[in-house]
Amino acid sequence: QTALTQPPSASGSPGQSVAISCTGSSSDIGAYDYVSWYQQHPGQAPKLILYEVTKRPSGVPDRFSGSKSGNTASLTVSGLQAEDEAYYYCSSHGNIINVIFGGGTKLTVL
Amino acid sequence: QVQVVESGGRLVKPGGSLRLSCTASGFTFSALYMTWLRQAPGKGLEWVSKISGPGDVSVYTDSVKGRFTISRDNARNLVYLQMNSLRVEDTAVYYCAVDPYHYASHPWGHGTLVTV
Repeated sequence: QTALTQPPSASGSPGQSVAISCTGSSSDIGAYDYVSWYQQHPGQAPKLILYEVTKRPSGVPDRFSGSKSGNTASLTVSGLQAEDEAYYYCSSHGNIINVIFGGGTKLTVL
Repeated sequence: QVQVVESGGRLVKPGGSLRLSCTASGFTFSALYMTWLRQAPGKGLEWVSKISGPGDVSVYTDSVKGRFTISRDNARNLVYLQMNSLRVEDTAVYYCAVDPYHYASHPWGHGTLVTV
């Protein structure tokens, strides 16, 4: 079971919306509603921003939203702000690997 | 609030052993799974191992099975990762995290660097 597939980069201007995809298989994303998204700024620990596909931990702005269709999950960041520039990682529970991560997407705010 | 702090990372030779520690506070420690994850320099995230609240269930990623052992001391709010037969490819920042949700970790500690 290889890593989930994410685009290496994404970008958008302040105020715009950007979506980041995360593609897995019928053994992970397609099988479970246990997709999470993490935000990591350089030199910092990752921070959970979405869990169970669409749920936000306390304190995470509702500009961050998630969805899933088949074997692909998506993170949408609306109303882009400068502080959203970071790496974003998806993860999912899987049949073979307990938690499998994507390779990460660098989001640039233009 | 919930706090997680790792310690124990250092430079170790291939084949050597190391024990990482993680202390957590701000929640009912014995009620939640705790997880270790890692990030190799310049690379992405990798889930390593997790242990149930009572400590009776532990799960490992294939690459560390038989070499790493996770354990916890609920009386002292501590989680450990005993790492044996270390390999160069185990070099990474190791993060400890709380699992308040299914298969999602939050928050994470600041990490501790293991260099093999």
